[in-house]
Amino acid sequence: AQSVTQLGSHVSVSEGALVLLRCNYSSSVPPYLFWYVQYPNQGLQLLLKYTTGATLVKGINGFEAEFKKSETSFHLTKPSAHMSDAAEYFCAVSPSGTASKLTFGTGTRLQVTL
Amino acid sequence: DTGVSQDPRHKITKRGQNVTFRCDPISEHNRLYWYRQTLGQGPEFLTYFQNEAQLEKSRLLSDRFSAERPKGSFSTLEIQRTEQGDSAMYLCASSLEVLGEQFFGPGTRLTVL
Repeated sequence: AQSVTQLGSHVSVSEGALVLLRCNYSSSVPPYLFWYVQYPNQGLQLLLKYTTGATLVKGINGFEAEFKKSETSFHLTKPSAHMSDAAEYFCAVSPSGTASKLTFGTGTRLQVTL
Repeated sequence: DTGVSQDPRHKITKRGQNVTFRCDPISEHNRLYWYRQTLGQGPEFLTYFQNEAQLEKSRLLSDRFSAERPKGSFSTLEIQRTEQGDSAMYLCASSLEVLGEQFFGPGTRLTVL
């Protein structure tokens, strides 16, 4: 079985500050890991994914995440927050090897203040 | 083709009524997924298809729920005898088997009165 824990249901940062959203996973097999963003009343948009290879993954809108197997973590970061980053962020895991169902965390709502 | 589409975007129904949602995936994608998302939660997997075959169903999918993908293209999700607890956002996603990346539609928000 796989699971994802997102620490912090709400995170607030000032515009221009570092964004750090935490995600820890549990998986009995090598996982694929994903970060999705959801704006109000919209579906989910993929920010980035880790499958194999380089553990530092760069995504859209300046986000990146690092897969740390020893810590079972896949934290999402962005050096400088922008007002448009305010949204709900979901970390998800699936078994590696093929497209399969995603198991999502409960999400972190990011608020960006002036 | 601009992405995954879902219809309707919003549905309000009375308890006990049947509802049906439609999902049109990205045309070359052979896998199609249904998820349910309630307020304050992440999406929860319901079921998925590879082409027209339904390969897995979650235990969340009670007997009142049925999903089809008759020709391996669009899919429908039907809920019979709706209950207030069925109120949620129903999300559809599609993917190519080998890539693993799922693309989501905008969702259908169901409200059961």
